[in-house]
Amino acid sequence: GDSVTQMEGPVTLSEEAFLTINCTYTATGYPSLFWYVQYPGEGLQLLLKATKADDKGSNKGFEATYRKETTSFHLEKGSVQVSDSAVYFCALNTGGFKTIFGAGTRLFVKA
Amino acid sequence: GAVVSQHPSRVICKSGTSVKIECRSLDFQATTMFWYRQFPKQSLMLMATSNEGSKATYEQGVEKDKFLINHASLTLSTLTVTSAHPEDSSFYICSARGDQGNFRNEQFFGPGTRLTVL
Repeated sequence: GDSVTQMEGPVTLSEEAFLTINCTYTATGYPSLFWYVQYPGEGLQLLLKATKADDKGSNKGFEATYRKETTSFHLEKGSVQVSDSAVYFCALNTGGFKTIFGAGTRLFVKA
Repeated sequence: GAVVSQHPSRVICKSGTSVKIECRSLDFQATTMFWYRQFPKQSLMLMATSNEGSKATYEQGVEKDKFLINHASLTLSTLTVTSAHPEDSSFYICSARGDQGNFRNEQFFGPGTRLTVL
């Protein structure tokens, strides 16, 4: 079945460091790929998405590129801030049906 | 933009009582809504898919008599946790899938409801 695997956390970085959170997927068909962010005590917010191969999603300095050949959708940010501390979920969705989430990666950014 | 609301945002109840959580799509129609459960520091687990006007489809291992789902209109789905026990304490999140236009087949998530059963 469809699945998402993302790197285990927690990830601890200093402010202004470069961030990469790896995500790979397994899916039949051609899924849309998403990154969601969850701040403490809150629900999920869509961070960015890509709907087809080679698409790059971007938002708030975060980027991820849909790589069909490596079935990956790694999240990157060039310079993280303390306010980026949160849990990040990689997810896929095929045809608008149920969304499959990865386990989540907790990010701590130190000042 | 598409907004999904949940009510209440937090609820504390005594063991044995039932709790109803509402999920509303505020500016779009959603024939299909989804209910997720999230344990502390864990990912979201899909509980059930709610379809307007028909019975919900439950994921394996989820008790349908325990978690009653009603999707009576195109903008409202409710989850009722019946005879709640402390192990039902969790963060419940709904999402709604848009039916039409720019929102078609996109999913939008609610802010979540934190249930604490004493």
